[in-house]
Amino acid sequence: SQQGEEDPQALSIQEGENATMNCSYKTSINNLQWYRQNSGRGLVHLILIRSNEREKHSGRLRVTLDTSKKSSSLLITASRAADTASYFCASLNSGYSTLTFGKGTMLLVSP
Amino acid sequence: SAVISQKPSRDICQRGTSLTIQCQVDSQVTMMFWYRQQPGQSLTLIATANQGSEATYESGFVIDKFPISRPNLTFSTLTVSNMSPEDSSIYLCSARGGPTTNEKLFFGSGTQLSVL
Repeated sequence: SQQGEEDPQALSIQEGENATMNCSYKTSINNLQWYRQNSGRGLVHLILIRSNEREKHSGRLRVTLDTSKKSSSLLITASRAADTASYFCASLNSGYSTLTFGKGTMLLVSP
Repeated sequence: SAVISQKPSRDICQRGTSLTIQCQVDSQVTMMFWYRQQPGQSLTLIATANQGSEATYESGFVIDKFPISRPNLTFSTLTVSNMSPEDSSIYLCSARGGPTTNEKLFFGSGTQLSVL
C-alpha cells in the first residue's frame, strides 16, 4: 500500500499558537484518522472523520476532510508544550481492511 | 478502549539471532496487526495476524522472516528471524474491533529493537 504525504514534516511553534498539519492520501477511503505518537512509542487515536463528513471537532482539535482533493487537515488550537509529539494521519480504504499511515508531522511546542 | 501490553519494550540483539515479541490485549478483538517503524519514519504494515490461521503479509514481508502466531482473540507474537542491522526498528502491535469500537486502532507501546 502507498503512504500518504503530510506537511509540514516538522513544525515549531510557541505555546498558545495554533498548529495546522495537512495530509494527502491516494485511494478512496471509508474514513481518515489522526494519531499522536510521543517519543517513538505507541500511537494514540485522536479523532476519526468519515468520508461523508467535511469537518469534525473534539476539544482543541479540528479536522477537515476534502475527498475531492484527497486531503485532510488537523488543527490544534491554543497549543501547549504537552502537545509536542509526532502526528500521523491514517486512511482506512473503502475495502475496510487496513490503515495506511502518512509520513507524519513532528510538532514542537515551546513554552 | 483496549489496553495492549507488548514485551519486551526494548532489546539489543546479535546479528543472526531471532527475537519473539509478545502482544496481549485485555479484551477480545477482531483484528490484530504488526507494524514496523524505522527511525524517523512512518509506520509500515508487516502483516495482519489471523486467529487460528496463517497471517496475511504485506508486500515485501515474508513468513520465513517474520513468522506470526495468533492462537486466540487476545494474543499474538511476532518473531524477527535471522536478524541483521537493517531490522533495527520499532515494532508495534495494534488491534481493532473490540466491544466498543470497530474502526480505530489501539497500539501497544512498541518494542525498540537494535541489532548489532
